Amino acid sequence: AQSVTQPDIHITVSEGASLELRCNYSYGATPYLFWYVQSPGQGLQLLLKYFSGDTLVQGIKGFEAEFKRSQSSFNLRKPSVHWSDAAEYFCAVGDSGAGSYQLTFGKGTKLSVIP
Amino acid sequence: DAGITQSPRHKVTETGTPVTLRCHQTENHRYMYWYRQDPGHGLRLIHYSYGVKDTDKGEVSDGYSVSRSKTEDFLLTLESATSSQTSVYFCAIPGQGNFAGELFFGEGSRLTVL
Repeated sequence: AQSVTQPDIHITVSEGASLELRCNYSYGATPYLFWYVQSPGQGLQLLLKYFSGDTLVQGIKGFEAEFKRSQSSFNLRKPSVHWSDAAEYFCAVGDSGAGSYQLTFGKGTKLSVIP
Repeated sequence: DAGITQSPRHKVTETGTPVTLRCHQTENHRYMYWYRQDPGHGLRLIHYSYGVKDTDKGEVSDGYSVSRSKTEDFLLTLESATSSQTSVYFCAIPGQGNFAGELFFGEGSRLTVL
């Protein structure tokens, strides 16, 4: 069964600092990988996704993520954090073979931003 | 944005009462999903549907049932609500075309069981 681990429950960074959120996955084949963001009281918004090809993917709001097969990782990065980036971030893995579009989510990392 | 709406958005109920949450989509997609979100657990799949009258269990299906009598509606029922089912429930549908492979989520239904 596929699984996702987000090792950091809560991260605090200063505005303008760089950010990296970690994500490790377990999946037998080439995974579909996603990062979603959830602002307080809101639904989930897709930041970026990886299906195949270039291992560095660009997303919305200045975020990027890098797929590293050897490390089973898909870490999310942003070079300079803005106060509006404070939210909870979820990494997810999808089943590329079953056709059911199911996603398995990590437990999330809450990001706080110090002005 | 994908056409997906949930109702009710908020509900407070008492232990032992039945509750039904509704998810409605306008995208005509075969697949629909119900997830629950709890602090420290992320989102966990309850049930999903792959067509009218075709459903399957997810990771946390105990205590829940679903029905899909029309393509556009997917109902989640708690036959006898318990306090452990206090949660935020999200419905989701897959994207299509350039958005294939990703899930679009509704705004969520916050359920409190007293």
